[in-house]
This record gives sequence, structure tokens and C-alpha cells, in this order.
Amino acid sequence: QTVVTQEPSLSVSPGGTVTLTCGLSSEPVSTGFYPSWYQQTPGQAPRTLLYSTNTRSSGVPDRYSGSILGNKAALTITGAQAEDEADYYCALNLGSGIWVFGGGTKVTVL
Amino acid sequence: QITLKESGPTLVKPTQTLTLTCTFSGFSLRSSGVGVGWIRQPPGKALEWLALIYWDDDKRYSPSLRSRLTITKDTSKNQVVLIMTNMDPVDTATYYCAHSLWGSGTYYFDYWGQGTLVPVSS
Repeated sequence: QTVVTQEPSLSVSPGGTVTLTCGLSSEPVSTGFYPSWYQQTPGQAPRTLLYSTNTRSSGVPDRYSGSILGNKAALTITGAQAEDEADYYCALNLGSGIWVFGGGTKVTVL
Repeated sequence: QITLKESGPTLVKPTQTLTLTCTFSGFSLRSSGVGVGWIRQPPGKALEWLALIYWDDDKRYSPSLRSRLTITKDTSKNQVVLIMTNMDPVDTATYYCAHSLWGSGTYYFDYWGQGTLVPVSS
């Protein structure tokens, strides 16, 4: 079974930078997995931040950026704000239209 | 303006079949490059992708749940239905439907419904 790994939790200071990663148990993550990223605050539906590695969804501020770092997909928040405190999920397209989500990263801004 | 809303039972008993409906507006599932997917989230846990149906009626399912899932669309009603058989308490979750769009080489989820909580209990 394919497992997508994310850091369980990360913290960042207001105005600081934090990088979240998204890895695969079986092989390196490349752009061909079309990584996407979602933000979820308590009690709310997920919000799409990025798709296809680094394309921002409509209305998403440019302090969110995506990339491939080493063998993982990455989401970087630059100039973190209090409102960025949330759970973040990555998703990978394994091919043939099959998607899998990671376990999520809880980001604390303090 | 794209909106989606999930609807379904407020409680399901073990072994029963769950039927969820996603009613949407602001787009048509007759349009090329469009799809609707289902994703669930058990309380306090991560998101899990379940199924996706495309404008051309192509369908994809999570390999681990494929035997229990059926996804269909009714373009005249702007609805997508997900059926999950043999429900178990571990299937207790908030079920989301999401609009999927082709862009930058892939389908991706851009608009999400508010979700509907489905408890499974006897």
C-alpha cells in the first residue's frame, strides 16, 4: 500500500518561513505525481492552495509556494501570519487517476 | 460561482449501504475537463480520497475501497452520487465532494463542499 508521508507538526514564528514536505514510501516524488496542497482550519472544509507542484489556486497569496526538494514535494510559507495556523495536506496523483493524501501537518504560528 | 453541497443520512447502521448525493451549481459535468470527486475524513484524522467521476463518465476508485464504492452522475440534475456498501463504524467520517478541473497536466480539486458527517453505529 502506498503511503504518503508528512511531518506531523511544525511551528513557525510570525513573519518567519516554514517548509512542509510530502514524500512517498516507495519512490522519490517528482512533478509527474502532480503534488497538490490543501489547507484546513478546525471545523472547515479543505481549501486548495497549490496544484501541479507550484500552481497557486485562485485567490491564494503568493507567500505560499510549491517545489520539489530532493525527493519530496514541498510547500513553503514565507512571512507566516497567524491565519496560517492550520492543518496542511498534500495529495499525489499515482497515475491512472488514482489520488492519495498524506497524513497532514499541523502548523502552529507562535 | 461554483458551489457543492453534500447530503445523506444522519446515521447509518453497520452492514447498511450509504448513499451520498453531491448537488452542485456553477458548472456542468457535460463540460470537457471537469470532474467531481469524493474525499472523506474520520474525526481527528487525515483526508482520504475515495472516488472521482469525469465529464465523459470515466470513473476512478481508491484501490483499497474499490469493491465497496460506486460513483454515478446525473447531469440533468447537477448531481453526483456515491454509494458505499457494507458500512462499518470505522467508516464514520465527514464526507466531502469536490469539483475537479483539468489544468497544468492533471485534474485537481479546486472547490470543496462543506462536508456531511456520517456516523456509523448500531
